[in-house]
Parts: sequence; structure tokens; C-alpha cells
Amino acid sequence: KQEVTQIPAALSVPEGENLVLNCSFTDSAIYNLQWFRQDPGKGLTSLLLIQSSQREQTSGRLNASLDKSSGRSTLYIAASQPGDSATYLCALPDQAGTALIFGKGTTLSVSS
Amino acid sequence: NAGVTQTPKFRVLKTGQSMTLLCAQDMNHEYMYWYRQDPGMGLRLIHYSVGEGTTAKGEVPDGYNVSRLKKQNFLLGLESAAPSQTSVYFCASRSTGTNYGYTFGSGTRLTVV
Repeated sequence: KQEVTQIPAALSVPEGENLVLNCSFTDSAIYNLQWFRQDPGKGLTSLLLIQSSQREQTSGRLNASLDKSSGRSTLYIAASQPGDSATYLCALPDQAGTALIFGKGTTLSVSS
Repeated sequence: NAGVTQTPKFRVLKTGQSMTLLCAQDMNHEYMYWYRQDPGMGLRLIHYSVGEGTTAKGEVPDGYNVSRLKKQNFLLGLESAAPSQTSVYFCASRSTGTNYGYTFGSGTRLTVV
């Protein structure tokens, strides 16, 4: 059964810092991996989708990498801003490819 | 383009009452999902559907029923609400194939007293 772990559970940084959020998974036979952002009391917003054949995806100040062999993905946020404060969730399809399995998230706080 | 729309956004139920949560998507997606999100537990799959007229159980299906009579709609029912069903419920959808991403609704916050 696929298990997804996100470390750290919480992270506080000053504005302007570059930071890395980590996601690890137990089954490397994955189709893709998706990073989401969730603001308090809100829904999930998709940030990046990495296909299994890709090693990374970039969107603005965000860069996500995927290393299937080691069962890891990282989300790199450059020049963090207070508006980046949110919970970041990593998710992968289950072994049947029918539903997403989520990590418990990393809650990021960026102070000005 | 509305994406995935959930109604209602908030609801308070008394124990034993019933209700239906509605999820509607306008992206012609085949797959639809219901998740619940609880503090410390993360997002857990309740039920899902791989097409009109189909449903399947997820990780935590007990106490819930679903129906997918129309491709664009996925309904989640609570026949006899319990305080343990207090949660935030999210609906999601995606297209078929491996080059897909999931789109989530904004959630329904349900409190059972």
C-alpha cells in the first residue's frame, strides 16, 4: 500500500528565504505526483503535476522534482513571501491508479 | 469555467439527521471522488466513481452512500449523521489516462451535534 510522508510538518521562515519541502513515498511504481496548496479553511489548489517520465516541473518561483528510484519529491520555493504561507500537500495515485493518496502536509509560515 | 462546485459550503446537523452533499463538475471528467479531511488524519478517500452509473468504496466508506446518476454530478449521502462525521468534505474530479491532474472543489464544512 502506497504511503506518503511529508517532512517537516511545519516550517517557519523569514521573507526572502529559499526553502525546500520534502515528500517521500513507499511505492516507486507511480504514474505521477501532484503538489497542492491549501489555505486555512479553503480548498486545494493544484500547484504542479509531475509525470513519472519527468524529473521536474517549474511554475514561477516553484520547482518540483521527482526521483522515483529513491521515492522522493521536493518542492522548492524561491524567494519566499508572506503570501506563500499555507499548507502544502503532496499526493500520488494509489497502486491501482484510481485515487490519490495524500501526505499530511507541511504548514509553511513566512514572516515579513 | 466553474471547475468543481460543491454545495452546501457549510451545514450543521443534529445526530440522526440525514443530508446529501452535491458535487458538480463541468470539465466532462470521468472520475469523481469524495474525500474527508480531519485534523491529524489528512485527506482520506470515502467513495469514488470511474464513470456515470458506477461507484466504489474508498478507505473510509462506512456511514456514507453515493450516487453518480449523471456524469457531471456525484452525490454523497449521510443517512443517519453521527458526531464522528463532523469533518470537511472535498469533492474532486479528473479525466482518464495517466497524463491527468485532479481538480478539487472548495469543500463543505459539516458539523454534527
